Amino acid sequence: NAGVTQTPKFRVLKTGQSMTLLCAQDMNHEYMYWYRQDPGMGLRLIHYSVGEGTTAKGEVPDGYNVSRLKKQNFLLGLESAAPSQTSVYFCASSYTRGGYTFGSGTRLTVV
Amino acid sequence: DQQVKQNSPSLSVQEGRISILNCDYTNSMFDYFLWYKKYPAEGPTFLISISSIKDKNEDGRFTVFLNKSAKHLSLHIVPSQPGDSAVYFCAALRSNDYKLSFGAGTTVTVRA
Repeated sequence: NAGVTQTPKFRVLKTGQSMTLLCAQDMNHEYMYWYRQDPGMGLRLIHYSVGEGTTAKGEVPDGYNVSRLKKQNFLLGLESAAPSQTSVYFCASSYTRGGYTFGSGTRLTVV
Repeated sequence: DQQVKQNSPSLSVQEGRISILNCDYTNSMFDYFLWYKKYPAEGPTFLISISSIKDKNEDGRFTVFLNKSAKHLSLHIVPSQPGDSAVYFCAALRSNDYKLSFGAGTTVTVRA
């Protein structure tokens, strides 16, 4: 049972480059989320989705876009990467309140 | 403005002793609280939760206490084991919501 799978696990980008982080879940969860983890800041919500075809902004959405064309996938895009986006990104999914399952994370460095 | 605060970034405890992790919150609309545990290079995993209608919840070595009037909760780990060395995140949910708000985390180190 895979749960939540994030790809890639590591990536180094140059400032201004673009990339897409992929999150896939096989639990048929309705809700999916993208968080970023930074030292001393905990986990902060970037964007989330309450179902296929829907997305909404979280706490720190600037510089990111998302899409949820299929229920099992939630994509996070960076159109023009900045050093401030250096972080560890976690995807999660849930079907109920608080029942989050997290992926193992993507460590992104923007130079 | 962080609504969930973990003011102790780290905690060191001897194996076999009690670990006490603290968490404060500012939003009175929070009605469900959770603790997550995170090992390096892994995603957080659910540990224990408590509803605002309770003041205590136990699961094996882990107990969470909630003091609503003080907007404070704590996680007790008894006895602490080396495998408990990890980062612990406190999280909270508002009523009728499903988006978790997380604290900054506390790194626990259990010494042999």
